[in-house]
Amino acid sequence: EVQLVESGGGLVQPGGSLRLSCVVSGFSFSDHYMDWVRQAPGKGLEWLGRTRNRTKSYRTEYAASVGGRFTISRDDSTYSLYLQMNSLKPEDTAIYYCSRASVGSDGHFFFHYWGQGTPVTVSS
Amino acid sequence: DIQMTQSPSSLSAFVGDKVTITCRASQGIVNHLAWFQQKPGKAPKSLIYDVSTLHSGVPSKFSGSASGTDFILTITSLQPEDFATYYCQQYHNYPLTFGGGTKLEMK
Repeated sequence: EVQLVESGGGLVQPGGSLRLSCVVSGFSFSDHYMDWVRQAPGKGLEWLGRTRNRTKSYRTEYAASVGGRFTISRDDSTYSLYLQMNSLKPEDTAIYYCSRASVGSDGHFFFHYWGQGTPVTVSS
Repeated sequence: DIQMTQSPSSLSAFVGDKVTITCRASQGIVNHLAWFQQKPGKAPKSLIYDVSTLHSGVPSKFSGSASGTDFILTITSLQPEDFATYYCQQYHNYPLTFGGGTKLEMK
């Protein structure tokens, strides 16, 4: 059974940093692209970024809203995905989800499995 | 960036009804379109990818279709567990983008 479990969320002051983790099981982690998606209170879903797999040299993509402040990394040996968040702002308050991607019929990758999310609150 | 315009933003229906939700992409995305269901306080659930392919375990009451840059999610024979918020999402280009969501409520 595929499982994704996020942790590391909490209350942080504006300008602070936080590192989220996503530990996965039930599949070969190193083979898969992984994403972070967030949802602000009462709002829709926002993609934050992606890390490709080992075959694609773990190259990353980011949304413009977080590029330069957020960094995605992974440790295939521990089946762990990370989101390092720096210079946090109140508007970063959200539930943060990790997602495992799967490949479609012509090589594009879609969100497939989701974790339960971890809440982050940025407030003084 | 590719904008995904979803309509309606909210929808009321009776149990047993059939509903459709539309998503329009601001440019061509081929078939790189997914649909998700989200219930309050829960993570999104993946329903459909590649416009019309159902994820394993998703009932056939859900279906997806396309016409050019318009994409449609159809849900037949609504049951109480189907009332939720639905999102479309394109994975054709970065940044990956979602529609604004459609909240499906029970009449």
